[in-house]
Amino acid sequence: GQQVMQIPQYQHVQEGEDFTTYCNSSTTLSNIQWYKQRPGGHPVFLIQLVKSGEVKKQKRLTFQFGEAKKNSSLHITATQTTDVGTYFCADGGGTSYGKLTFGQGTILTVHP
Amino acid sequence: DADVTQTPRNRITKTGKRIMLECSQTKGHDRMYWYRQDPGLGLRLIYYSFDVKDINKGEISDGYSVSRQAQAKFSLSLESAIPNQTALYFCATSDLGGQSTDTQYFGPGTRLTVL
Repeated sequence: GQQVMQIPQYQHVQEGEDFTTYCNSSTTLSNIQWYKQRPGGHPVFLIQLVKSGEVKKQKRLTFQFGEAKKNSSLHITATQTTDVGTYFCADGGGTSYGKLTFGQGTILTVHP
Repeated sequence: DADVTQTPRNRITKTGKRIMLECSQTKGHDRMYWYRQDPGLGLRLIYYSFDVKDINKGEISDGYSVSRQAQAKFSLSLESAIPNQTALYFCATSDLGGQSTDTQYFGPGTRLTVL
């Protein structure tokens, strides 16, 4: 099945530093979703990207979908302690509409 | 979300025991999913159901079975639990939305330990 590789697995930053996590696929993605899971919590939907080269922003979070639709990134500017958690990308397309294939996730730790 | 509930929230059991994890939703969604989460492996799909009469295997269905009792209820069973099924289990729902993949809404999770 289609695999979605996400890097890095862990990221430790000082509060105020920027953070980026990357999601890569060997095949073209129809669309990609991003989720955040707080420690001890459950994944919560952040955003969906559909179009080639699409860029969306949510306050300090910037999401990008590659021109070839094989990669995506989530960038957080000036991290805060409330940003801690695991960020997952998920491929939701291909012949399996309605099914998500998740990346391994990036665990973000923010030191105050 | 309180719209998707899972019971129990925590369970410790022994190898060979039969276990049932239950999921209920009040969102009125047709699609329901079971995932397991293991450190470093992300979320892996066990089973999914697009409506009451539809059940499909995910990528890691061996050792698991499911029952879709109603639109709102989707249960996951481990017929004979083994230690490597120790994990965090999530139920999720989404709405039937044509050919686009819709947002999934996750329950709070069930932490299962098999001794």
